[in-house]
Amino acid sequence: SQTIHQWPATLVQPVGSPLSLECTVEGTSNPNLYWYRQAAGRGLQLLFYSVGIGQISSEVPQNLSASRPQDRQFILSSKKLLLSDSGFYLCACKGSETQYFGPGTRLLVL
Amino acid sequence: AQSVSQHNHHVILSEAASLELGCNYSYGGTVNLFWYVQYPGQHLQLLLKYFSGDPLVKGIKGFEAEFIKSKFSFNLRKPSVQWSDTAEYFCAVAGGGYNKLIFGAGTRLAVHP
Repeated sequence: SQTIHQWPATLVQPVGSPLSLECTVEGTSNPNLYWYRQAAGRGLQLLFYSVGIGQISSEVPQNLSASRPQDRQFILSSKKLLLSDSGFYLCACKGSETQYFGPGTRLLVL
Repeated sequence: AQSVSQHNHHVILSEAASLELGCNYSYGGTVNLFWYVQYPGQHLQLLLKYFSGDPLVKGIKGFEAEFIKSKFSFNLRKPSVQWSDTAEYFCAVAGGGYNKLIFGAGTRLAVHP
């Protein structure tokens, strides 16, 4: 079965600083990968998904971008963080019937 | 656009009480429905799912959910909760391709001994 790694686990960044969150997947090849965000008091919102290397689809307009440089690596980035980027970021991988989730990164922008 | 609505954001129960968490979705096509759970300090994990067939589905740890198509609902139930059921529960719908999930806002359940 798939194992999803995310780092860092927590991050505190100042407004205007850059961001790079990394997700790697083990136990599968050519998976569909997803980035979700949970803002305070809200549900999980799909930000990006990828069906292959270099293929990124954005679900909502925002200050973030995603990249997939390798088959099992998915990166979430920002050039300049906003306060509204604070939240809990989850990486997910498509399984046979559902999605498997990583442990998440808690980001606080001050 | 698809959306998922969970009626209760916080629920507090005593052990052995019955649980029902409401979930309604809006989507015009065929949907797959899910309940996920996140226990404190753990990953989000699948509790149960509905794809087709019997609208009453059973999941892990004694949970079940009923899909009522006419009401666009997929409520989660458990007849007798335990302290270990304390967690956050998310209803989700997949539709529109690429297995994208649309989540509700979540319900935080606290079970007191």
